[in-house]
Amino acid sequence: KAGVTQTPRYLIKTRGQQVTLSCSPISGHRSVSWYQQTPGQGLQFLFEYFSETQRNKGNFPGRFSGRQFSNSRSEMNVSTLELGDSALYLCASSLGQVSTGELFFGEGSRLTVL
Amino acid sequence: AQRVTQPEKLLSVFKGAPVELKCNYSYSGSPELFWYVQYSRQRLQLLLRHISRESIKGFTADLNKGETSFHLKKPFAQEEDSAMYYCALSGRVGAGNMLTFGGGTRLMVKP
Repeated sequence: KAGVTQTPRYLIKTRGQQVTLSCSPISGHRSVSWYQQTPGQGLQFLFEYFSETQRNKGNFPGRFSGRQFSNSRSEMNVSTLELGDSALYLCASSLGQVSTGELFFGEGSRLTVL
Repeated sequence: AQRVTQPEKLLSVFKGAPVELKCNYSYSGSPELFWYVQYSRQRLQLLLRHISRESIKGFTADLNKGETSFHLKKPFAQEEDSAMYYCALSGRVGAGNMLTFGGGTRLMVKP
């Protein structure tokens, strides 16, 4: 079974631009979560989607948004990029409705903002 | 607010020595706790969860609600245990997968 796939793996943007990151969960998984990982703040929860609905949201500004499609694939968008948005963005999927805490992570999308 | 603290950024031990990776949490309710591990050039993956009370790769972790701790232990470290370890807390059981992670501890097992 294929693992969680994230695209693109690496990207460079400049301040003020926007970026869209994509995540394909493991087949059959309906929950997709996003995390931001930085050396200073560690792993921080962004949001979680289940059946196309945002189920949980972390403490990030409104510039960070996401969505989930009917095939469970998810995208996150960051608008008006700031230098501090440089990070590894990790997507994780899990089976479904009941939380087990078992997340399957992708390799991440490394965003550099210049 | 929920918080997870891993006081050691780096822990270095010799092969065969006991290992204890510390994790303390802050949460007002009844938490679910997990240990995740990331081996070199691999993805972050679940190692164990407190609710299943199992031993994985020789590691165990006991939830101590009195001390609000969930330390990870292994009696005899192996070189292949070298990795980054993250303690994580889920404060809302059954309400979705929202984990709060600690800062991580890098374990180095020397030959």
